[in-house]
Amino acid sequence: NAGVTQTPKFRVLKTGQSMTLLCAQDMNHEYMYWYRQDPGMGLRLIHYSVGEGTTAKGEVPDGYNVSRLKKQNFLLGLESAAPSQTSVYFCASSYRTDDPYEQYFGPGTRLTVT
Amino acid sequence: RKEVEQDPGPFNVPEGATVAFNCTYSNSASQSFFWYRQDCRKEPKLLMSVYSSGNEDGRFTAQLNRASQYISLLIRDSKLSDSATYLCVVTLYNNNDMRFGAGTRLTVKP
Repeated sequence: NAGVTQTPKFRVLKTGQSMTLLCAQDMNHEYMYWYRQDPGMGLRLIHYSVGEGTTAKGEVPDGYNVSRLKKQNFLLGLESAAPSQTSVYFCASSYRTDDPYEQYFGPGTRLTVT
Repeated sequence: RKEVEQDPGPFNVPEGATVAFNCTYSNSASQSFFWYRQDCRKEPKLLMSVYSSGNEDGRFTAQLNRASQYISLLIRDSKLSDSATYLCVVTLYNNNDMRFGAGTRLTVKP
């Protein structure tokens, strides 16, 4: 049982390049989330999904797109990377949102945009 | 004003000490409250939920004060392994809308 995995672990992009971050979970969770974490700030929600084929915007969605074609996968896309998107990106999943409630996080992707 | 505010620390304490962290939140409609732990360069992991009546899990005690809009975490008999950053988390309207504090860093020294 791998839990939540993220690919890649590290990436360096040039301004204007595009890339896709992959999140996979093997816990049959319905809900999946993408966050970014910047120094001195808490994790901020980018987009989330409450089920296969559905996505919704979080707190900081601009510059990102997502897709949830399969229940176990949640993809985060950057169409035209900017230096402001340099961050650590965490994916998380949860079984449902009622009590008891816990989000399980992946190990993170460190992205640098130059 | 940030929605969730924490003292960033660092808190440097000796083994065996008792240490307490506070967290304040700005939205009085906030519904659920949690403490997560994040080790250096690792992912956050749930430490404990925080209930209105207060709750305890071994050496850890969490309290919620809705009137004053703050949450606390008390760690007794600190261990070296408690060294980490502790994240205060508040949900606004539902558990899909979690707001994280920037974290309080704790270092426990021998």
